[in-house]
Amino acid sequence: EVQLVQSGAEAKKPGESLKISCKGSGYSFTSYWIGWVRQMPGKGLEWMGIIYPGDSDTRYSPSFQGQVTISADKSISTAYLQWGSLRASDTAMYYCARRAASTEEFDYWGLGTLVTVSS
Amino acid sequence: DIQLTQSPSFLSASVGDRVTITCRASQGINSHLAWYQQKPGKAPKLLIYAASTLQSGVPSRFSGSGSGTEFTLTISSLQPEDFATYCCQQLASYPLTFGGGTKVEIK
Repeated sequence: EVQLVQSGAEAKKPGESLKISCKGSGYSFTSYWIGWVRQMPGKGLEWMGIIYPGDSDTRYSPSFQGQVTISADKSISTAYLQWGSLRASDTAMYYCARRAASTEEFDYWGLGTLVTVSS
Repeated sequence: DIQLTQSPSFLSASVGDRVTITCRASQGINSHLAWYQQKPGKAPKLLIYAASTLQSGVPSRFSGSGSGTEFTLTISSLQPEDFATYCCQQLASYPLTFGGGTKVEIK
């Protein structure tokens, strides 16, 4: 069974750093792209970026380029999303999702990690 | 970037109604479009991919159509569990943008 297990909710202060994770299981982790999606409170889905764990090829949305870093450790089948300096506007639910190999939609999703940034 | 415009953004309907949601792309994307359903507090769920292919396990009352710049998601007979937000996503080119979403509520 394909599963994406995300790390738990985080409460941080502005200016702090953060790295959240997404562990894949039940499939060949290195053979599928993993994407990250932001959902701010009461808002729609925003595509942030995507990584191919096999070779760490990474693409970012222009809206998020330079604001976050996406990485992966294929030895432990885990993808990451990290911030160097959080802002209140980073408060959101963050989902990871697997991109299907041939047809490219996001076929499996994690349950989400809620990040709250407040002083 | 390819922009996706969904309409309507909000829809009020009754159980048994036929519901149609439209997603328009700012440029042609062939059939590289997916539809997702999201319920409050839950992760999105894939319904349709490649514009018209039903994801395994999704009820047949859901269907998708279109290509190029105009796409539709149709629910043939709305069921109580279908009240949710529906969102399209283009997969033709990076960034893989989402539409703004359509919230389907009970009339």
